[in-house]
This record gives sequence, C-alpha cells and structure tokens, in this order.
Amino acid sequence: GAVVSQHPSWVICKSGTSVKIECRSLDFQATTMFWYRQFPKQSLMLMATSNEGSKATYEQGVEKDKFLINHASLTLSTLTVTSAHPEDSSFYICSARDLAGGHEQYFGPGTRLTVT
Amino acid sequence: AQRVTQPEKLLSVFKGAPVELKCNYSYSGSPELFWYVQYSRQRLQLLLRHISRESIKGFTADLNKGETSFHLKKPFAQEEDSAMYYCALIINTDKLIFGTGTRLQVFP
Repeated sequence: GAVVSQHPSWVICKSGTSVKIECRSLDFQATTMFWYRQFPKQSLMLMATSNEGSKATYEQGVEKDKFLINHASLTLSTLTVTSAHPEDSSFYICSARDLAGGHEQYFGPGTRLTVT
Repeated sequence: AQRVTQPEKLLSVFKGAPVELKCNYSYSGSPELFWYVQYSRQRLQLLLRHISRESIKGFTADLNKGETSFHLKKPFAQEEDSAMYYCALIINTDKLIFGTGTRLQVFP
C-alpha cells in the first residue's frame, strides 16, 4: 500500500530557532501534499496545500512566512517552522495524494514539535 | 461555510453492542465524505468513503443528504475497534475538512 513517512518523528528546539520537517511518499508519486496541525485532543487542521513545482496554498490564518513549505519533487515536501515559539508546539501531520489514487490521501505518522 | 460536526467526544460500549458514531456536515456543494480511523500509536488511515458504499471491518456509513449526515455504524462492536474516529468532508476536490473526532472505547 501507499506509505508516507515523516522525519523526524519528534523534535525539541529552543525558541527562536528553525525546524525542518520532511514528508516523503515512499512508493508513489504525489503532486499534492498537505500539512496539518493537531493540538492535543483536537482535530486535524489543514495548514496548507503543497504542490510540486509551485507555491504552496495556505489556509486562512496560517502565516506563510512562518511556516515555509517547499515541494521540490514528486516524493518530498518540507515544512520549516521559522523562529519557533512555544505556541508552535504541536503535532504536525502530512498527507500525500497518489497521482493515480483519486482523492484518497495517505497520512504520515506525524512529527511532534516541542519548542522550549 | 463548510463544517463537519461530530457531537460525541467519547462513546463507550461493551463488546457485541451496536455502535453508531454521528457525523453531520455543512457544505453547499456536492458532498464527498470519508471516515478515518486512528488506532493507538498509529497513523490516520482511511476506513471508508461514501462513494464506495462498502463495508470495512463490519462498519458501514450511509450518506443522508436530507439530514446532512454520514453516521458510522457497526452492529456488533469488537474490542479491536477501540480507536479515534474522524469524519471528513472533501471540498474543492482535494481539501479535507475534519470533524473533531470521536473516541470509541469497546469494553470486554
């Protein structure tokens, strides 16, 4: 089946530093990947849609300069949290849509970010 | 505005009991709905979608446009069904809007 990986699975960083999270589709190509944020005991909130070879589309209220998204290839999208603050601490989940798979999205295992 | 509502945060049943996880949606377009499941310490995975009209692991869900609902049902719950269940609506052909989720606990 389609597998999506994320790296790292967890990361702790200090306030003011930047953190990069990778999302990879391992056995399929994905022109579109999605980045979600999940707070404890809450639902997934779509942050942005990442399109290969073009700029990401951000949801309302998401700062594009803070959450930099790059989708350089059909199998890799990265999310960089710039100048992280404690309120950025959260669980970040990516998903990828298989070119051949219609609307189904395959989810990564998530990355837990803790900013101290 | 588009929205997915799951009114129950927690649903607890005993093994063998029927289960119904409620989901209501608000969307002006033609809805396409999904149920996702997240077992403990595992990633989110698709359980079923309304267009397939399939039964997965004994679960079914029927889209009721009149009531704008897509409730998930299973006649006899099993302990291994214990998980977090999310109802989701797709808009603009690719964006998923998730409900807040319902935790199902099935006791032996």
